[in-house]
Amino acid sequence: NSKVIQTPRYLVKGQGQKAKMRCIPEKGHPVVFWYQQNKNNEFKFLINFQNQEVLQQIDMTEKRFSAECPSNSPCSLEIQSSEAGDSALYLCASSQADYAEQFFGPGTRLTVL
Amino acid sequence: QQKVQQSPESLIVPEGGMASLNCTSSDRNVDYFWWYRQHSGKSPKMLMSIFSNGEKEEGRFTVHLNKASLHTSLHIRDSQPSDSALYLCAASDSNNRIFFGDGTQLVVKP
Repeated sequence: NSKVIQTPRYLVKGQGQKAKMRCIPEKGHPVVFWYQQNKNNEFKFLINFQNQEVLQQIDMTEKRFSAECPSNSPCSLEIQSSEAGDSALYLCASSQADYAEQFFGPGTRLTVL
Repeated sequence: QQKVQQSPESLIVPEGGMASLNCTSSDRNVDYFWWYRQHSGKSPKMLMSIFSNGEKEEGRFTVHLNKASLHTSLHIRDSQPSDSALYLCAASDSNNRIFFGDGTQLVVKP
């Protein structure tokens, strides 16, 4: 069973508000991924880290989304100014390497009113 | 352009039947494929991975890979209602970037 922890499980924000979610990867997993899964189950990669360094990120992430994985603290994904279209399930996954199996957390379901 | 395409979008099979799901990448740099399963309201869990040509079998699940065409398929024999889920195909390239398809929604009818 996955030991990736995500908090909070549910998050409700108004448009324009900041939304921040956290992820604690499995112990010993240096690679962390963030994905967005919309109501149509479409899966979108947002960003990944190896230890504290960004490996890859998509353009959307560079504009309103910010993420970090500081040492000895949970990883976080923050949306600076939430929009209705950001309502989705945000999944964090961790793995031992880029090409290894990813273990997913339960997700944070964000609703932007 | 989506780098990983899955078909069909949805599939209904009778209990005990065979379910066949397809996944193709449009990126020639892709060299590793995974299949994940996501039950409703749950997070995805890996089923199988494959990077060599040929097939790999684990229980009722068989995965095929044709590297020349960058096509992989997942076959579930003796399908059970508990197999009903969203099946996601993922691929990684030589730069270790990972791409997911939009999934195939499988329903196994008792």
